[in-house]
Formats: sequence, structure tokens, C-alpha cells
Amino acid sequence: SAVISQKPSRDICQRGTSLTIQCQVDSQVTMMFWYRQQPGQSLTLIATANQGSEATYESGFVIDKFPISRPNLTFSTLTVSNMSPEDSSIYLCSVSGEGRPHEQYFGPGTRLTVT
Amino acid sequence: GESVGLHLPTLSVQEGDNSIINCAYSNSASDYFIWYKQESGKGPQFIIDIRSNMDKRQGQRVTVLLNKTVKHLSLQIAATQPGDSAVYFCAETTTGTASKLTFGTGTRLQVTL
Repeated sequence: SAVISQKPSRDICQRGTSLTIQCQVDSQVTMMFWYRQQPGQSLTLIATANQGSEATYESGFVIDKFPISRPNLTFSTLTVSNMSPEDSSIYLCSVSGEGRPHEQYFGPGTRLTVT
Repeated sequence: GESVGLHLPTLSVQEGDNSIINCAYSNSASDYFIWYKQESGKGPQFIIDIRSNMDKRQGQRVTVLLNKTVKHLSLQIAATQPGDSAVYFCAETTTGTASKLTFGTGTRLQVTL
């Protein structure tokens, strides 16, 4: 299984500012994903980070609000832009196992609080 | 849209007993069903999966049952231990959706001594 790290692990930000979250994997992977988990709730897929092309966003999420980069097969960033208190959540990246795309491995998450 | 949901938000089980966590799904086209465990402050951890052409799969102390007739999925944990205390999510995915997972609402398992 892949080992995934995220930075920062947590942050407290003021509304109107932006935060970039980094996701690093210890091996090359094809598929990388970004999820949001609001307090006490389940995970919602934000987008699929595609290497070498624009991310694929799910309904309700847009590139202007959540720009994503994927410069290579081991790294991705998610930016939460122009933050509001409603963006307070845990943001998680995940990768899918090679040959077993439904088996995903998750990073520890970034706990974001917007004041 | 399609959704995956759970019947019980919280399940309290005595140590040593068996736990059963249930999940209902609505997408009959799902190919894989997966159970994840999320401990406090951590990301979800893959437990076990089952393909849609199976009705039972066993792992170490865990068994997943799939009933496609009633679109129901369950996770059975044998001899529940304090370390099993966590939130459990079911998820589903469909071939051709680029491995996108749809998660259920989650069940918190509390193991009492």
C-alpha cells in the first residue's frame, strides 16, 4: 500500500484568504483524488487530480474555488480559495491501488478552520 | 443521484461480542463495495471489499455480506476489540467512473469493556 503525507496537518485561516494543501505519495500512482469531510459527516469527492491535464471536478465543486495541480505522479496540491467559515472541513487526498482502482489509500487529512 | 447510506449512526458493542454494521445502497450498477474504518484524527483505512458478483467475502475477523436483491451490505466483526472503535463507512464504485467512490454516511462503533 502507498504511504501518503499531507501538509499542513491543520490550519486556522481568516475568511477571504486561501490555503494550499499538499499531498505527497511515496510511489508513482495513476489516480489521485481530493475529498472533503465536513465535521461529523461522510466524505465527498471534490475532484480527480489528473497528471498533465486539468482536474475533473464533481458536481458542486468548481476550479475557481478549488484549483488543483498535479505536476507529477507522486504529488498534488489543492487550494481552497477565498475561504469562508463554511469551508471549515477536513480535506483528504487519496490514491488508488494499481490494478485495484477501487481500493483507495488515504492521507491523514488537513483539518481547516476558517474564522 | 445514486447514494449509499447506513441504517444506524451509532452502534455500541461489548468487548468480545460480534458487531454487525449495515449499509443500504441504491445504485444497482455498482461493481465493488468497500468498507473503510476511520479512527479519530486519521484518514479512512481500507478494510475489505466485495465484488458485485459475490455474496460473501471473509477477511481477518471481518466478513462482508452482499444482498443484491435488497441492495444491502453488511460488515461483521468477530470478537470485537477496543481497537475496533471507529467510524465505519461503506462505499461503492462503478467500472467506468474512474475509480470514484461514493461514501455512505458512516456508523460509529463504540466498544464497551
